[in-house]
Amino acid sequence: EADIYQTPRYLVIGTGKKITLECSQTMGHDKMYWYQQDPGMELHLIHYSYGVNSTEKGDLSSESTVSRIRTEHFPLTLESARPSHTSQYLCASSPTSGEANEQFFGPGTRLTVL
Amino acid sequence: KQEVTQIPAALSVPEGENLVLNCSFTDSAIYNLQWFRQDPGKGLTSLLLIQSSQREQTSGRLNASLDKSSGRSTLYIAASQPGDSATYLCAPWGSYIPTFGRGTSLIVHP
Repeated sequence: EADIYQTPRYLVIGTGKKITLECSQTMGHDKMYWYQQDPGMELHLIHYSYGVNSTEKGDLSSESTVSRIRTEHFPLTLESARPSHTSQYLCASSPTSGEANEQFFGPGTRLTVL
Repeated sequence: KQEVTQIPAALSVPEGENLVLNCSFTDSAIYNLQWFRQDPGKGLTSLLLIQSSQREQTSGRLNASLDKSSGRSTLYIAASQPGDSATYLCAPWGSYIPTFGRGTSLIVHP
């Protein structure tokens, strides 16, 4: 079973600040994902990566950026936080194993921008 | 574009009932389908993964079926317990990206 860690778990920050949400996994999974989820709403894919130095934007337009320099690490950065960025951010990973795609999630980061 | 619908959106039942949660999807060209559970304010926990060549998968009191041709999956929960209270999401997988429904919010009261 995959272990995925997200830090911080909760963050309250003022408008205009730069923030980085951390995500790490210990299972060597090639694929990693970032989702945004508002309370009671569906998950929206904002970024994903197939492997080191590979990043793609998801369906939901986002002002955030990501990097994938190491297999285990997939941080998400907001250069200038705004109240509209208030949401829960979920990181996930999955192995590259043919048809048996299976996704594992971290505990999430609850972001509040004042 | 894949669209996923989960019915019912919410469900409240007494403890001990057998439950059926429904998931439908518009594009049947999927690799597999995953069912998740999400507790309030938490991440998602994988419950079951059904590969496209399978018709069902079982884990304890949970049984999930998949009918690719009709674009449907069903999660069956036997003998429900208060600890089963959570939101249940299904996610059919296209290439390397799953698509999520809004989920079924389940409350099991004692």
